[in-house]
Amino acid sequence: EVQLLESGGGLVQPGGSLRLSCAASGLSFSRYAMTWVRQAPGKGLEWVSSISDSGDKTFYVESVKGRFTISTDSSRTTLYLQMNSLRVEDTAVYYCARVARADTVDMFFDSWGQGTLVTVSS
Amino acid sequence: EILLTQSPATLSLSPGERATLSCRASQTVDIYLSWYQQKPGQAPRLLIYDTSNRATGVPARFSGSGFGTDFTLTISSLEPEDFAVYYCQQRLNWPPLTFGPGTKVDIK
Repeated sequence: EVQLLESGGGLVQPGGSLRLSCAASGLSFSRYAMTWVRQAPGKGLEWVSSISDSGDKTFYVESVKGRFTISTDSSRTTLYLQMNSLRVEDTAVYYCARVARADTVDMFFDSWGQGTLVTVSS
Repeated sequence: EILLTQSPATLSLSPGERATLSCRASQTVDIYLSWYQQKPGQAPRLLIYDTSNRATGVPARFSGSGFGTDFTLTISSLEPEDFAVYYCQQRLNWPPLTFGPGTKVDIK
């Protein structure tokens, strides 16, 4: 069973930066597209960013373009989200998730991490 | 961007009752609609993908139907562990991937 474990959340001032990590245990996600989804306190789910199974394509929600960068390590066992120029409205629990099917960008997700809380506040 | 709306916002039912949750898309998503369950303090759990396919380990009391812009998640007989928030999500036209606002199923 694949387990995903996020880390790197915390309290940061507006304009600051954080890097979130998502480590896979059980196996790598080298053949799987990966995604970050966030959930503001008491709110619904919002897709943030995805990286293709091949790792050569990245996608972002409009509100984070130019500020956030999704990437993986070379062994594709750790997913990252570099978050710069953070805003109060970026406050949320950030989940990493893996698509259900290898070698596709069929974007539905059967493995999720437990989430890491990012709080942007002065 | 494809917008998803869910109704009702809250569904108050008793264990053993049938739950019918609706998801409507602002334009067609063909069959590419998934459903997730989320309990407080937990990550979402995939229930249904591509309208009607149950994910691994999902009980048969959960079923999905629909096509195009109108979709339904049905829980045939509510178990105590089914009281949660349910989200739909489309994957036909992205980015952005979009989720509905959720339906909370709570105990009457």
